[in-house]
Amino acid sequence: EVQLVQSGAEVKKPGESLKISCKGSGYSFTSYWIGWVRQMPGKGLEWMGIIYPGDSDTRYSPSFQGQVTISADKSISTAYLQWSSLKASDTAMYYCARRGQLADWYFDLWGRGTLVTVSS
Amino acid sequence: SSELTQDPAVSVALGQTVRITCQGDSLRSYYASWYQQKPGQAPVLVIYGKNNRPSGIPDRFSGSSSGNTASLTITGAQAEDEADYYCNSRDSSGNHLFGTGTKVTVL
Repeated sequence: EVQLVQSGAEVKKPGESLKISCKGSGYSFTSYWIGWVRQMPGKGLEWMGIIYPGDSDTRYSPSFQGQVTISADKSISTAYLQWSSLKASDTAMYYCARRGQLADWYFDLWGRGTLVTVSS
Repeated sequence: SSELTQDPAVSVALGQTVRITCQGDSLRSYYASWYQQKPGQAPVLVIYGKNNRPSGIPDRFSGSSSGNTASLTITGAQAEDEADYYCNSRDSSGNHLFGTGTKVTVL
């Protein structure tokens, strides 16, 4: 089955670090870009950045540049999103999504999301 | 500007047609894709490219584009179509952009 499986919910304190994961299966993980999308409580979708696991080429939204780090380990078909120092405002659901291979940009496969709660 | 603007909410009677719009300068150059998100669920792709539906998406969903506006039309809306809908495209710098989202209520 073609799917993206995300790591489980996290509860952290401000200032702590965190790395969440997104494991692809059922397709060639290295041939598709994987994006990360934030959804704050009751709000819309925000594109954070994207990585090509084949060569780890990474692009960031200007809004998230310097705030998070996106990486991938192609040997285990897994992409990551990490924070070095969490803030309460990082509380959100985070989705990973695969970008389709056609020239038009679209996300054709989504993970179920990882809920991150940051609270003292 | 690098923004995609949608109406916050629209309503449609059961079985009728509703059009959801997405406006932005980038849409003059790039197609939008559309996503349906139901409460507590991940988004699902419903339209991409000029007017393509992924496997499993009913043909009552269709997409179109004119100038700086992309549209998602639901022809014969069903109760299960009640959801939030987001457009997505790209800008000339290579960034993805999401629209502000539209809540569709089926009456």
